[in-house]
Amino acid sequence: AQKITQTQPGMFVQEKEAVTLDCTYDTSDQSYGLFWYKQPSSGEMIFLIYQGSYDEQNATEGRYSLNFQKARKSANLVISASQLGDSAMYFCAMRQRRLTQGGSEKLVFGKGTKLTVNP
Amino acid sequence: EPEVTQTPSHQVTQMGQEVILRCVPISNHLYFYWYRQILGQKVEFLVSFYNNEISEKSEIFDDQFSVERPDGSNFTLKIRSTKLEDSAMYFCASRLTGPGAQYFGPGTRLLVL
Repeated sequence: AQKITQTQPGMFVQEKEAVTLDCTYDTSDQSYGLFWYKQPSSGEMIFLIYQGSYDEQNATEGRYSLNFQKARKSANLVISASQLGDSAMYFCAMRQRRLTQGGSEKLVFGKGTKLTVNP
Repeated sequence: EPEVTQTPSHQVTQMGQEVILRCVPISNHLYFYWYRQILGQKVEFLVSFYNNEISEKSEIFDDQFSVERPDGSNFTLKIRSTKLEDSAMYFCASRLTGPGAQYFGPGTRLLVL
């Protein structure tokens, strides 16, 4: 079974500094995808970034980048130049493909990391 | 920018009552999902839906739960007889096709008393 592990329950960072949120995963699939979502205190889940297992380049989206190390099975999120609005829960998730009709591709989530950006 | 919408944003119900949570996925998306998040816990998969039928469901998704896409735009989750432990945030998500991201709605916070 697939599993996502986020070992940092909480992280603190100073405004304008970079921060890395850790995510390790376990899967026997050759093809998989990794996602990061942000959940502010208001509760919505905001998609941030995606990395496919066959992508050779690390994914980047603005201030977000994904440090993908396939051999280590890690997919850490790096947020550069942190802003106060980055304070939120961050969830790492893996796409679990179901090779039947419909290709369900449900997401399996980690427990999350609460990031606090200090002014 | 297109987005997933959900109604209501909050719902309070008595144990044993039926609730229907509504979602409007992004219009050209083909895959639809329901997840739930019990307060302070991680997000858990409930069910996925494609081509007007369930493609996968979790062990949480028992006979008390059902999903429907009644009119080509709405996607609903019905809980027939709510239990206290059904109290959670329920998220609808949709995906276009291929290995793309799932886009989540803002959630419905359900409280069962």
